[in-house]
Amino acid sequence: QVQLVESGGGLVKPGGSLRLSCAASGFIFSDSYMNWIRQAPGKGLEWVSYISSSSTYTKYADSVRGRFTISRDNTKNSLYLQMNNLRAEDTAVYYCARDGGGFYPKYYFDSWGQGTLVTVSS
Amino acid sequence: QSVLTQPPSASGTPGQRVTISCSGSSSNIGSNTVNWYQQVPGTAPKLLIHTNSQRPSGVPDRFSGSRSGTSASLAISGLQSEDEADYYCATWDDSLNGCVFGTGTKVSVL
Repeated sequence: QVQLVESGGGLVKPGGSLRLSCAASGFIFSDSYMNWIRQAPGKGLEWVSYISSSSTYTKYADSVRGRFTISRDNTKNSLYLQMNNLRAEDTAVYYCARDGGGFYPKYYFDSWGQGTLVTVSS
Repeated sequence: QSVLTQPPSASGTPGQRVTISCSGSSSNIGSNTVNWYQQVPGTAPKLLIHTNSQRPSGVPDRFSGSRSGTSASLAISGLQSEDEADYYCATWDDSLNGCVFGTGTKVSVL
């Protein structure tokens, strides 16, 4: 079965950096677009970024563009999110999620990890 | 400041039908398919409906979705206690060039 396991969250000071990882198993990782989606405490869901199956295409939400970088290593079945210049408003649970479309994105997320909490505070 | 608007709450008694609306615009719902997610508090979201009305394997047929113009709706028929959760609509927005989620609706079973 599809499994996505995030790691790397924690407490970081404003202006700091953090790298999140997502380990994938149970499907052909290199065939799927992957996404990061976040949820601030007590708030709704916010899409953060996606990356195509071969890393050719990436997109970002306006709120993180220029500060966050999504990447993947298909040899390790892993997805990453490098977060720089973190702000208090980046505090959230970060989920990795698989796009349900395969080689071509369908922009719906059919599998989610359990999430990792990032707290930005001094 | 989501571009997709949902009612903050909805409720019903067991067995009733509950409908949740999702209002958008021509750049999102008006030109792209709509998906729905269910999130039980403390857990990760789960895909409930994709491509306007398609149920993934394992999702009960009590859940149904539809889209018309710049709005979409999710219906839960035969409401059950385990349906208590937050529900989010989502789609692609051509103007923002990214995925957008609705504001979320908390469903309570009275």
